[in-house]
Amino acid sequence: DAKTTQPTSMDCAEGRAANLPCNHSTISGNEYVYWYRQIHSQGPQYIIHGLKNNETNEMASLIITEDRKSSTLILPHATLRDTAVYYCIVRVGGGGADGLTFGKGTHLIIQP
Amino acid sequence: AAGVIQSPRHLIKEKRETATLKCYPIPRHDTVYWYQQGPGQDPQFLISFYEKMQSDKGSIPDRFSAQQFSDYHSELNMSSLELGDSALYFCASSLRGQGAWNTEAFFGQGTRLTVV
Repeated sequence: DAKTTQPTSMDCAEGRAANLPCNHSTISGNEYVYWYRQIHSQGPQYIIHGLKNNETNEMASLIITEDRKSSTLILPHATLRDTAVYYCIVRVGGGGADGLTFGKGTHLIIQP
Repeated sequence: AAGVIQSPRHLIKEKRETATLKCYPIPRHDTVYWYQQGPGQDPQFLISFYEKMQSDKGSIPDRFSAQQFSDYHSELNMSSLELGDSALYFCASSLRGQGAWNTEAFFGQGTRLTVV
């Protein structure tokens, strides 16, 4: 699976959009970009995933650059409960949670 | 909605003892996954099962074994426990069969194992 690079931590004001970047310059053509988050000591939570088109669901939007070497997760209206570690994971598709490599992730802190 | 249920939530064992962790997947889910998260570490994939057969294997120690039963619940058996086995153990489940593809996995709240 391709390696990802994320900032160690980020702050965002409550109510604002949180934009979390991820670099994955070695991504292969059949690899998807997945985002998970982990609120302190809870189980990881799936957020969204995509291949090359932008994706949106009730939690977030995923913007993938045309060359697929980077992506941005957008939480449109961050709340205090969005404070968590966010993991960008690149892997072949098929869903599920086989062999997810979580890496260090970005610790997002939502400020009141 | 029903979630992944793990038991026990907390477990304290002594070195060299054995432990069994249980995972009950979301109803209709046919695939379970086990992850280990040490203190201050990221979750590490251990093993997964689909339809009671091992599907994928990660960094699971030889002292650990797991299986998935006919009702799709799974158990992680850990023997000769070491201090370094102290961690949060997460189970996740997803639906892979019956035409499903690219579906998300749902994680349980984890079992916190402390080895003393």
